[in-house]
Amino acid sequence: SQQGEEDPQALSIQEGENATMNCSYKTSINNLQWYRQNSGRGLVHLILIRSNEREKHSGRLRVTLDTSKKSSSLLITASRAADTASYFCASPIHGGSRLTFGEGTQLTVNP
Amino acid sequence: GAVVSQHPSRVICKSGTSVKIECRSLDFQATTMFWYRQFPKKSLMLMATSNEGSKATYEQGVEKDKFLINHASLTLSTLTVTSAHPEDSSFYICSARTDGARGHGELFFGEGSRLTVL
Repeated sequence: SQQGEEDPQALSIQEGENATMNCSYKTSINNLQWYRQNSGRGLVHLILIRSNEREKHSGRLRVTLDTSKKSSSLLITASRAADTASYFCASPIHGGSRLTFGEGTQLTVNP
Repeated sequence: GAVVSQHPSRVICKSGTSVKIECRSLDFQATTMFWYRQFPKKSLMLMATSNEGSKATYEQGVEKDKFLINHASLTLSTLTVTSAHPEDSSFYICSARTDGARGHGELFFGEGSRLTVL
């Protein structure tokens, strides 16, 4: 069963603003991953954060992980219209390669 | 980066027919591939793990006789939806893991195949 829950389910912002998406999970993890999906397309891996890391950056992306709260957040800074997509968090089932995905956040960046 | 190709990207079929979807890793070998199903505006649900040279491992609640998986080579896994019905209409996505260590738990996803059963 899927264990991730994300909020908000939908987020609409203006270009240039920052977008923050949150993910909560239920069981212990050894890493948490964030993916992006454009409408009707496959998934693109954005960033992976290990359980012993608290924060990680990649370009305009910043991911945090709080294992005590079993939550993670994805921050996209200086958003662009091209960032419009669905964003999913995912964690390995039993530490393997099978992933369980969160419900996703639909981000709309208005030009 | 690594490329995973799915074919067909879209397919429409009549109820009762079977449909085969291919997932290929184009520039790497993948002993293990995964099949997911996604309903509109919903998350991805893992259906099964496809293992080269052995039987697929299905997640709880997924009918193995309904969703046949074959992983005959290190670069190809196929998902066959047998005797398709309208409720099988969905977006099917595969992912492949590189055999060598290329990041911790990193996977590469196909572009998905949209199945519509009339």
